[in-house]
Amino acid sequence: DAGVIQSPRHEVTEMGQEVTLRCKPISGHNSLFWYRQTMMRGLELLIYFNNNVPIDDSGMPEDRFSAKMPNASFSTLKIQPSEPRDSAVYFCASSLGQGGGPGPYEQYFGPGTRLTVT
Amino acid sequence: AQSVTQPDIHITVSEGASLELRCNYSYGATPYLFWYVQSPGQGLQLLLKYFSGDTLVQGIKGFEAEFKRSQSSFNLRKPSVHWSDAAEYFCAVGGNTGGFKTIFGAGTRLFVKA
Repeated sequence: DAGVIQSPRHEVTEMGQEVTLRCKPISGHNSLFWYRQTMMRGLELLIYFNNNVPIDDSGMPEDRFSAKMPNASFSTLKIQPSEPRDSAVYFCASSLGQGGGPGPYEQYFGPGTRLTVT
Repeated sequence: AQSVTQPDIHITVSEGASLELRCNYSYGATPYLFWYVQSPGQGLQLLLKYFSGDTLVQGIKGFEAEFKRSQSSFNLRKPSVHWSDAAEYFCAVGGNTGGFKTIFGAGTRLFVKA
C-alpha cells in the first residue's frame, strides 16, 4: 500500500496567488481529513469528508479556503488568494470510518505539504 | 466539551532511561484513544490505540499505554528510550460523538540525551 499521497511536498508562492494542494487517500478508506500544523497553533483540523461529502468545515479559516473531494481517490485544498499567514504544513489523512480494516477512527497521515507564502 | 491535555510541552530523558508521557482527556462518550508520533519533516504515525478491553495496550517500537477511566488518562510509556525515539508525540481522542472527528493534544516533544 502506497499510503496517503500528497503533492506537492513543498510550495513557495507569492501573496495573492492561488495555491492548490492535492491528496490521494488510501484505497478503500471512506473518510478524509485536512489539517494545518504551525508552531503557534499546533495541529488544526480544517475540514473532513465522509464518503466524499464534507461533514464539518468549521475549521476552515475563512472564505479564501475551499476543499473538494470529487471522488473517493482524490481531494484538493485550495487557497485563493494566499497570504503570508497561511504558511504552514498541511496534512491530509484518511481513515476507514466504520467496520473492518484497521479499526474505526484511526487515521493515516500523508507526509504533508510545506507551504510558504512570501 | 471534548479535549485532550498533554501537560508537558517537552521532556528530556537519557538514553536507556524509562519514559512516561502524560495525557488527560475529556470526552462525553466512550472514548477511542490514540498515541501518534511525528518525526521531523514527517506526517503523524500511529503508535497504538485503545478502543475497549484490556486497559494496557501495546504498540509499535516498544511503547505501551494504560487507559485509566477513573483518572481520564491515557499515559504513554516505554521502559528504555532509544535516541531514535526523539520526536513529537500526540495523544488523541475520538469516537461516536462528533462523528469521525478526532481531537488531538498539543503534543509533547521528546529529547533524548546520550
